[in-house]
Amino acid sequence: KAGVTQTPRYLIKTRGQQVTLSCSPISGHRSVSWYQQTPGQGLQFLFEYFSETQRNKGNFPGRFSGRQFSNSRSEMNVSTLELGDSALYLCASNSGPSTDTGELFFGEGSRLTVL
Amino acid sequence: EDQVTQSPEALRLQEGESSSLNCSYTVSGLRGLFWYRQDPGKGPEFLFTLYSAGEEKEKERLKATLTKKESFLHITAPKPEDSATYLCAVLSLKTSGSRLTFGEGTQLTVNP
Repeated sequence: KAGVTQTPRYLIKTRGQQVTLSCSPISGHRSVSWYQQTPGQGLQFLFEYFSETQRNKGNFPGRFSGRQFSNSRSEMNVSTLELGDSALYLCASNSGPSTDTGELFFGEGSRLTVL
Repeated sequence: EDQVTQSPEALRLQEGESSSLNCSYTVSGLRGLFWYRQDPGKGPEFLFTLYSAGEEKEKERLKATLTKKESFLHITAPKPEDSATYLCAVLSLKTSGSRLTFGEGTQLTVNP
């Protein structure tokens, strides 16, 4: 079955702009989590959605937001981009809430470069 | 705050040269420890779950073990295709909800 699909795979933005990233989970999965990965910080948890409800949120500023649709697809948005937002943004899905299990299925990520 | 520390940061092995990767953690309310493998340009791929001290899991050339303070990923007779970054993560229960915390990973290179 198809894996987790993230779009776009690569994008370049300038400071101050905003960006929206999309994630389609594995069919039947209702949980979607988002992570930011940078060389110095590793994987940092952004937020998790389950059945359209945000269940958990990491320590990121309010510029980072997300949502989940009724078909379990999720989007995350970053407004007023800063240079430090350059990172690989990873989406992961699971059949149940990810906080009940650490067994996540990751997409290949969206690599964001902020100039 | 939960902490996960992986060592070494990078490891170079010759094909067939066995070794171990370490993941030490400080966490309250541990619900599980997880190992992932990440290839360049890809998302992490789940390998193992360990729930309690003394538990061991094996998959091909990999074996994961867990104590109360750390986990080891043993690689026996590695091959070049085992080259990847190996990530460790802990799932802990907090009053604000469960949280998965990742270490920064060990970058393994296996030379033929």
